[in-house]
Amino acid sequence: AQTVTQSQPEMSVQEAETVTLSCTYDTSESDYYLFWYKQPPSRQMILVIRQEAYKQQNATENRFSVNFQKAAKSFSLKISDSQLGDAAMYFCAYRTYSGAGSYQLTFGKGTKLSVIP
Amino acid sequence: DAGITQSPRYKITETGRQVTLMCHQTWSHSYMFWYRQDLGHGLRLIYYSAAADITDKGEVPDGYVVSRSKTENFPLTLESATRSQTSVYFCASIPGEANTGELFFGEGSRLTVL
Repeated sequence: AQTVTQSQPEMSVQEAETVTLSCTYDTSESDYYLFWYKQPPSRQMILVIRQEAYKQQNATENRFSVNFQKAAKSFSLKISDSQLGDAAMYFCAYRTYSGAGSYQLTFGKGTKLSVIP
Repeated sequence: DAGITQSPRYKITETGRQVTLMCHQTWSHSYMFWYRQDLGHGLRLIYYSAAADITDKGEVPDGYVVSRSKTENFPLTLESATRSQTSVYFCASIPGEANTGELFFGEGSRLTVL
């Protein structure tokens, strides 16, 4: 079974600074998806960024980017120019690429990010 | 575009009572999921469904029952609620084909069992 580990239960960052959230995973498969979801106090699960394992290029979405290291099974999220609205719980998640029953996500335990004004 | 909706958003019940959490999606997605979220555990899969009348257990299925008689609905029932089932429950869905990988989530249902 796949596992996802987020080793930082809580982090804080100064507004306008950069912060990196760590995620490692364990899998024997070669094709898969990785995701970062954001959960603000509203509780809504919001997709921040997705990475397909076959793509070597790191995904980027505006101020959010990832450092995907396939061999090391590492998938960190970098938030640049942090804003107060970035304060939330962040979840790293893994999904196998295809196959019956494979669409379920496996989540890490989450990292709570605080943004200091 | 209503997307995926859950009801009720908040529920307080007592130990031993039956509770049903509803999930409805308007996209005709094939797959639907129920997760529970607990502090220190992230989100854990309870049950999922690949299509109408097809359901399967996830990581933590004990104490829960699901059904899927129609593609758009996927109710989760706690037949005899226990305090350990106090949690936030999320329903999610994904198209079976030509999907972009991520799940689409409802807004969550907070259940408190006294």
